[in-house]
Amino acid sequence: EDQVTQSPEALRLQEGESSSLNCSYTVSGLRGLFWYRQDPGKGPEFLFTLYSAGEEKEKERLKATLTKKESFLHITAPKPEDSATYLCAVPDTKTSYDKVIFGPGTSLSVIP
Amino acid sequence: EAQVTQNPRYLITVTGKKLTVTCSQNMNHEYMSWYRQDPGLGLRQIYYSMNVEVTDKGDVPEGYKVSRKEKRNFPLILESPSPNQTSLYFCASSFGGGNSPLHFGNGTRLTVT
Repeated sequence: EDQVTQSPEALRLQEGESSSLNCSYTVSGLRGLFWYRQDPGKGPEFLFTLYSAGEEKEKERLKATLTKKESFLHITAPKPEDSATYLCAVPDTKTSYDKVIFGPGTSLSVIP
Repeated sequence: EAQVTQNPRYLITVTGKKLTVTCSQNMNHEYMSWYRQDPGLGLRQIYYSMNVEVTDKGDVPEGYKVSRKEKRNFPLILESPSPNQTSLYFCASSFGGGNSPLHFGNGTRLTVT
């Protein structure tokens, strides 16, 4: 089965301190990589989809990039409201594309 | 408003007492799926459905049943709940299957004593 790992497990940043989250995957023939944001007690909320190496997507202070084996979520000058758990996910290419595998997530805390 | 609605939000039950968690979406999505989320284990897929009357097992289907009799509804059934099914459950839907963005409900926190 394909696997998805994320690092770091938790990240604590000062407001304005930029950083990156990593998502590594072991799929061959990637059929899309998805980033989600999850606030405590709520369902994940879709952020980005990336389909091919070199692709980039941006939304406010977030930028997602994709290489052949990993994706990065760059957070520029974060604010406290960016605090959340960030999840990445890929369709399983070994069994069925309709099985979706999620990484364990990175819990981000932004301190004022 | 486009949404996935799960009920109930919180449920406490006892071992062996059958229960159903409902899920409904108003976006005319073909694909629906159930996940459980546990600390340290992340989101794991229980079952998914690509269309009415078509369901498939995810990674952790044991102890669960689903049905898809209508496009908008995808209930999760625990026929004989056990304490190891205590978890946070999410229903999700998408337009185009597993390689399309998922829309999630707000979750059902289940406690089995």
